[in-house]
Amino acid sequence: GIQVEQSPPDLILQEGANSTLRCNFSDSVNNLQWFHQNPWGQLINLFYIPSGTKQNGRLSATTVATERYSLLYISSSQTTDSGVYFCAVTGGTSYGKLTFGQGTILTVHP
Amino acid sequence: DTGVSQDPRHKITKRGQNVTFRCDPISEHNRLYWYRQTLGQGPEFLTYFQNEAQLEKSRLLSDRFSAERPKGSFSTLEIQRTEQGDSAMYLCASSLISEQFFGPGTRLTVL
Repeated sequence: GIQVEQSPPDLILQEGANSTLRCNFSDSVNNLQWFHQNPWGQLINLFYIPSGTKQNGRLSATTVATERYSLLYISSSQTTDSGVYFCAVTGGTSYGKLTFGQGTILTVHP
Repeated sequence: DTGVSQDPRHKITKRGQNVTFRCDPISEHNRLYWYRQTLGQGPEFLTYFQNEAQLEKSRLLSDRFSAERPKGSFSTLEIQRTEQGDSAMYLCASSLISEQFFGPGTRLTVL
């Protein structure tokens, strides 16, 4: 099946810093989503982005499907951005199953 | 707009007992998914339904696990003869087409 790798695994920032999270995937994708998992375990949708670029406030994302990667940018980070960020894709022969990466644990210090 | 809901939010059971979880999707969504997440890992796919039909099942879904969506609305996930290794967060998601939206999860602890 499709493989998803996220980097870095851990990221520690001071409030106000910018960061880039990366997601590499091993096959063509039909769906790519970025999530933020809060401390209670809820997965919050950030972007649905199988290709192209989107922006939502301080967050933006770019997926280059032909090169099999996606980037999540966080600008002017805040302590509330802390948590785990997951990239997940649907690809290969499956149109329903999301395959998740291992996540990036982001810690933002005041 | 009501999101995906799951019940119960927490379940503690003894090894060997059966447990059942319920998921109510977003009302117009015809696709419903179950995932399992253990500590420090990303969620892993278990199964998915389009309306009443169960279209895909993971090999993770052993014969102790059964999922149903009888009327194409809510779904139940039952685990029979629970084992300590079943302790995890069980997540439900729904979608209209591709983008999946997740519920808050049911955290299962098997003693």
